[in-house]
Amino acid sequence: EDQVTQSPEALRLQEGESSSLNCSYTVSGLRGLFWYRQDPGKGPEFLFTLYSAGEEKEKERLKATLTKKESFLHITAPKPEDSATYLCAVQADRGSTLGRLYFGRGTQLTVWP
Amino acid sequence: GAVVSQHPSRVICKSGTSVKIECRSLDFQATTMFWYRQFPKQSLMLMATSNEGSKATYEQGVEKDKFLINHASLTLSTLTVTSAHPEDSSFYICSVSSLQELNTEAFFGQGTRLTVV
Repeated sequence: EDQVTQSPEALRLQEGESSSLNCSYTVSGLRGLFWYRQDPGKGPEFLFTLYSAGEEKEKERLKATLTKKESFLHITAPKPEDSATYLCAVQADRGSTLGRLYFGRGTQLTVWP
Repeated sequence: GAVVSQHPSRVICKSGTSVKIECRSLDFQATTMFWYRQFPKQSLMLMATSNEGSKATYEQGVEKDKFLINHASLTLSTLTVTSAHPEDSSFYICSVSSLQELNTEAFFGQGTRLTVV
């Protein structure tokens, strides 16, 4: 069964304190791994898609990396406005409807000044 | 990315009544739409896959007679929660995807907070 596990469940950082969020996955053929940001009461906001091991993508203070078993979302010098829940999702390559995502439970990030 | 509009953003209804939630793809031909449900501090769980012009495919454990899905056009899918009960209170989110795109990304609506009293 396809599974996505995120850690930690919650993370509190002081402004400027860099850290990483983890997403480990088991899926029968990875089509893509997605990172989303979700603010309270809102739908997920797309951040990155990674397709193959070794791939990296950056956006402002965020950098996502991918290996064959896990992905990391690195946050460099975070600011309070980076506080949100970060969701990881995978799309399977075989036996699955194109576009269907399997989500982890998310990491709730709080950045305090 | 695609713009997805979901309406209403928040609804409170009485137990036993039905509620309709709309999901519109504003700039994108959405051949497939997905309906998710999210309980507090939980993951998004797929309820059903909606394909334009055909019947929806429901995930195991999701009652198709209770959660009616209609995807009549490439821009609109609706989810109707029939005879709602307090345990149906949750955050419902739709996403759109196009089968014409390889390695397609999924774009999400703003979500609908349903409270059944």
